[in-house]
Amino acid sequence: QSALTQPASVSGSPGQSITISCIGTSSDIGSFNLVSWYQQHPGKAPKLIIYETTKRPSGVSIRFSGSKSGNTASLTISGLQAEDEADYYCWSYAGSIPWVFGGGTKLTVL
Amino acid sequence: VQLVESGGGFVQVGGSLRLSCAASGFTFDSYAMTWVRQVPGKGLEWVSVIVRNGGRTYYADSAKGRFTISRDNSKNTLSLQMNSLRAEDSAVYYCAKLGGSYDLDSWGQGTLVTVSS
Repeated sequence: QSALTQPASVSGSPGQSITISCIGTSSDIGSFNLVSWYQQHPGKAPKLIIYETTKRPSGVSIRFSGSKSGNTASLTISGLQAEDEADYYCWSYAGSIPWVFGGGTKLTVL
Repeated sequence: VQLVESGGGFVQVGGSLRLSCAASGFTFDSYAMTWVRQVPGKGLEWVSVIVRNGGRTYYADSAKGRFTISRDNSKNTLSLQMNSLRAEDSAVYYCAKLGGSYDLDSWGQGTLVTVSS
């Protein structure tokens, strides 16, 4: 499986919305609704924030939402807050090994 | 759910290390488990996965032939035996629980492995 492609960095001001893309292929994102997103603050373990492409685990803010179009998945964070500043990774089931993450996106809240 | 890794540390190139992950708060033998690593300042890299009963294991190319994942369902413990370690294996190693939708729904705090010459 090829790596999933994410922008290296995105930024936004408090209160704004931002979207992080995750570009895959017809073999992974395009074939399955099994994209998940992870938030990682510095020095901390990753945390699942979106699963099955659009679902939020219990306790995750409704400001986080996921979507997909073709071979591209997206994570949108609305009403940006300072605490959202972190690294974000996507991951998609591809039906075969090896599994790969996206390269990660650093979100800066200005 | 709690996952607690241990066993990290300093090791010389060519040496071996065994990581452990103690699981609690869920029915351990009902879930596949994975290891993911991260070089400080870099991205996440999937390393290995083991199915619920331990009967099948899979590895990233970087781990194949050198690392062995295993589990003891009677002790709720996941392990990663790492042999022939290289400098590029230096990373924080996380164990993670595989959810029902191939998501990693719970993570440990990580254990740091440093391989030096």
